[in-house]
Amino acid sequence: DTEVTQTPKHLVMGMTNKKSLKCEQHMGHRAMYWYKQKAKKPPELMFVYSYEKLSINESVPSRFSPECPNSSLLNLHLHALQPEDSALYLCASSQVQGTYEQYFGPGTRLTVT
Amino acid sequence: QQQVKQSPQSLIVQKGGISIINCAYENTAFDYFPWYQQFPGKGPALLIAIRPDVSEKKEGRFTISFNKSAKQFSLHIMDSQPGDSATYFCAASTQGGSEKLVFGKGMKLTVNP
Repeated sequence: DTEVTQTPKHLVMGMTNKKSLKCEQHMGHRAMYWYKQKAKKPPELMFVYSYEKLSINESVPSRFSPECPNSSLLNLHLHALQPEDSALYLCASSQVQGTYEQYFGPGTRLTVT
Repeated sequence: QQQVKQSPQSLIVQKGGISIINCAYENTAFDYFPWYQQFPGKGPALLIAIRPDVSEKKEGRFTISFNKSAKQFSLHIMDSQPGDSATYFCAASTQGGSEKLVFGKGMKLTVNP
């Protein structure tokens, strides 16, 4: 099973709202990722967690706050977003060592109004 | 600079034809080269991947050709089908497990019936 699940599928939020995106995988992967993807662009890495610890933060604004509560779950907390943050947010996971295949979830389509 | 250059940006082929997507890279430390297929509104799906110790890898109608000396790799889709119409991204990363995938800009493939 190479499934990564994400909830919700769609999210509309105002600029003063606080919301969270959730990601889950049960493949035993110990690396999990958040990407942002704008229309007609490749995915853009935001954060990487390795063994539940933040290992890469690609200079993402603090209005995005990641959390990895355990090896299967990854959250992205959103607060005071801007309209330009509207995008498809993708979660991915991979084994940390041995192989490098990253498996992506279906994404959350976020619209900031 | 870590960069992967992908061409063409778009391609239209007839059903049954061959689709070819090319990518070039500069960083000789890259040692993993995956291809992702993405349908509108969906997350990227890992299609096929190659490492520099082989020059070609085939999975069904999909073949990766790799030229280490030229720092180029390509995806060939044989007997292209309308269901192959999607955006294709090449990518590259370095050894180390949870490393950053560097994506090409993507190519939109349209297969006409």
